[in-house]
Amino acid sequence: SQTIHQWPATLVQPVGSPLSLECTVEGTSNPNLYWYRQAAGRGLQLLFYSVGIGQISSEVPQNLSASRPQDRQFILSSKKLLLSDSGFYLCAWSTQGGGTEAFFGQGTRLTVV
Amino acid sequence: GESVGLHLPTLSVQEGDNSIINCAYSNSASDYFIWYKQESGKGPQFIIDIRSNMDKRQGQRVTVLLNKTVKHLSLQIAATQPGDSAVYFCAENKSGSYIPTFGRGTSLIVHP
Repeated sequence: SQTIHQWPATLVQPVGSPLSLECTVEGTSNPNLYWYRQAAGRGLQLLFYSVGIGQISSEVPQNLSASRPQDRQFILSSKKLLLSDSGFYLCAWSTQGGGTEAFFGQGTRLTVV
Repeated sequence: GESVGLHLPTLSVQEGDNSIINCAYSNSASDYFIWYKQESGKGPQFIIDIRSNMDKRQGQRVTVLLNKTVKHLSLQIAATQPGDSAVYFCAENKSGSYIPTFGRGTSLIVHP
């Protein structure tokens, strides 16, 4: 069966520090991968998606970047965090080809102080 | 989208009542619809889905209704339990599309 792992679960980082959140998927090949952000009590904002290794599409301009160094690994990064980067970050995957449901990780609660 | 920055609407029900959560979707070309449940501090989890060639689909205690004429989707939860308390999101997608569009979300609060 397919599983998605996202870590760390919580993170407190000072303003100006770098960020690296990692997500890996098991049990499937060539998945579509997504990074979402969710502010407290709000909806899901799509940040990045990837349909293959090295292929990254950005949905919103911001202080973050994403990379897909391996088929089932998706990394969210920042060189210098801002206070406004605080939020709940969710990684998700869906089957290649689209038009299907997305499966979410357990999320990372990031607090920038 | 616009829904991202808005506070979630709330539905409060008593334990044992039936709950109905509504969602309006925007793309008339969408042909696949999903409901997710998100418990506090966790990622959304798939509940039930429906394709556009159907107007009703039932699961265990949940039913999804699709009205393509008015682009409306609803989730009915029978005999709501405290464990059903969560935020519920609808999502629409289209065959071949990589990006589902999520609705605003509704916070369901079940009072014992």
